[in-house]
Amino acid sequence: AQSVTQLGSHVSVSEGALVLLRCNYSSSVPPYLFWYVQYPNQGLQLLLKYTSAATLVKGINGFEAEFKKSETSFHLTKPSAHMSDAAEYFCAVTPNSGNTPLVFGKGTRLSVIA
Amino acid sequence: KAGVTQTPRYLIKTRGQQVTLSCSPISGHRSVSWYQQTPGQGLQFLFEYFSETQRNKGNFPGRFSGRQFSNSRSEMNVSTLELGDSALYLCASSFDGNTIYFGEGSWLTVV
Repeated sequence: AQSVTQLGSHVSVSEGALVLLRCNYSSSVPPYLFWYVQYPNQGLQLLLKYTSAATLVKGINGFEAEFKKSETSFHLTKPSAHMSDAAEYFCAVTPNSGNTPLVFGKGTRLSVIA
Repeated sequence: KAGVTQTPRYLIKTRGQQVTLSCSPISGHRSVSWYQQTPGQGLQFLFEYFSETQRNKGNFPGRFSGRQFSNSRSEMNVSTLELGDSALYLCASSFDGNTIYFGEGSWLTVV
């Protein structure tokens, strides 16, 4: 079975500061990992994904994440926060065997302070 | 390429009624899945269809059902609505079964 833990339901950063959103996963088989972003009153937009190629994954809007098997982590980072980054972020996991539903974390709401 | 399209975007129903939500996947995607999002339970998987067959099912009561048509479009139905069914219902489509792309969702309010 798979599970995801997102540490911190709410993270607040200043504009221009580093963004770090934490995600730890549990999986009995090698996982695929994803980060999605949800803006108010919208659906989920795929930010980036790890599918067993490079462990450092670059996504849209300047975000990236690093897969660390030894730490069972897939933290999301962005060097410099922008006001437009304020949203809810979800980490998700699925087995790399495919065709299995995503299991999502509870989400982290990111606030960016001017 | 057009994204996942869901209709209607917003709807209000009364307890005991039923509702049907529609989803058109990204062109070429044959897998369609549905998720329910609520503040308390977060994102929960409902079911997934591939080539008109239900391939996976989440832990929801039988009041929740779905189907997929030959053109990959999908519908989900909730019968005998309860107040707790108020949620954002998200449809997602996938080409390879791993990377899924979500629509804007259908906001259901049950009163």
